[in-house]
Amino acid sequence: NAGVTQTPKFRILKIGQSMTLQCAQDMNHNYMYWYRQDPGMGLKLIYYSVGAGITDKGEVPNGYNVSRSTTEDFPLRLELAAPSQTSVYFCASSPDFLLAKNIQYFGAGTRLSVL
Amino acid sequence: GQQVMQIPQYQHVQEGEDFTTYCNSSTTLSNIQWYKQRPGGHPVFLIQLVKSGEVKKQKRLTFQFGEAKKNSSLHITATQTTDVGTYFCPLGGSNYKLTFGKGTLLTVNP
Repeated sequence: NAGVTQTPKFRILKIGQSMTLQCAQDMNHNYMYWYRQDPGMGLKLIYYSVGAGITDKGEVPNGYNVSRSTTEDFPLRLELAAPSQTSVYFCASSPDFLLAKNIQYFGAGTRLSVL
Repeated sequence: GQQVMQIPQYQHVQEGEDFTTYCNSSTTLSNIQWYKQRPGGHPVFLIQLVKSGEVKKQKRLTFQFGEAKKNSSLHITATQTTDVGTYFCPLGGSNYKLTFGKGTLLTVNP
């Protein structure tokens, strides 16, 4: 199993550009999450999904959108990139939380700079 | 609301010294997890504690869950440079979300 795969690893955007951060997992996990991490800070939850077709906002959803058309994929969309969105983005997945108490498995991250 | 405080925020040790980080909650926890993030890396799950007073060991790492299930600790014996990183004890609970604080950043001087 590859686990959680994020692409791209690095990206530089100009202000106002749009992009999609890709996240895929091959562990058949129902729960998926997007976090952002600013330097020296913890992870802040942007959006999460409890299954295909179901998404919900986290702590910092403004400026982002998500979709979950399949169990495997959970892309994060930035529509109008702003410098405040410069950050490291992590995708994570989790099996049924009732069984595994919401242990999360993280991708390697996407380092995004908006200039 | 629920909060988990982790102390210290930073710790610098000489290689070979011991290290401990503590997590304290304002409410009783159903379980607690620990994650490690190496510099430039991603968080990696280390362990989960569920039972009151539980102690688990992974080589030089010892994890404890308090009797009241309101606190937890991670102790590293004889630190090595490979232990460098940030250790998190995110707040979980009965839902499927985790709330990560700033964690404890450990640096080790060789």
